[in-house]
Amino acid sequence: EAQVTQNPRYLITVTGKKLTVTCSQNMNHEYMSWYRQDPGLGLRQIYYSMNVEVTDKGDVPEGYKVSRKEKRNFPLILESPSPNQTSLYFCASSGTSGSHEQFFGPGTRLTVL
Amino acid sequence: GQQVMQIPQYQHVQEGEDFTTYCNSSTTLSNIQWYKQRPGGHPVFLIQLVKSGEVKKQKRLTFQFGEAKKNSSLHITATQTTDVGTYFCAGPNSGYALNFGKGTSLLVTP
Repeated sequence: EAQVTQNPRYLITVTGKKLTVTCSQNMNHEYMSWYRQDPGLGLRQIYYSMNVEVTDKGDVPEGYKVSRKEKRNFPLILESPSPNQTSLYFCASSGTSGSHEQFFGPGTRLTVL
Repeated sequence: GQQVMQIPQYQHVQEGEDFTTYCNSSTTLSNIQWYKQRPGGHPVFLIQLVKSGEVKKQKRLTFQFGEAKKNSSLHITATQTTDVGTYFCAGPNSGYALNFGKGTSLLVTP
């Protein structure tokens, strides 16, 4: 089954404790992206990657890091989380041919205390 | 930069009533995509429109792309409770990135 998986699905942590949210897709997609969703603000892009070892900032990259060492994986790293990073995070992927529709993971709800 | 604006932010209808959400871009779009997010779920792709003036239908859903390719709409005829969710439009940004509107949340009361 074609899918994007994220782990963990829920996470409560404390300020300053480094964390990683994993994202993996099994569709051989070149493009992957991270979004955060906050009430009233919609989906805002954090980082995206066009292919292995190619990443770029989205609209709200501050406080986040990413890496793309393998085509299928695109982890999101919060080196020193702060309460304003409490949010719902989605990973997405798409191919580079056809409609470029994005396939979203199930989401990770992060709370930073 | 390109901005995609959606109205209304919220819409509450009685089951059986029609619903429309509108999407406007500050720049001409090469295409526009629509997504639906059910409560507690993740966005799911609905459709992509590419041509100026294009109209596509999916059962009770009708999607339109404006002649100038700067606006789009999604119309649902005779809403059902299964239509509840947030509808997003998205225009292409640099590369394959998408710029999402803030979405319209639809509530349908039986």
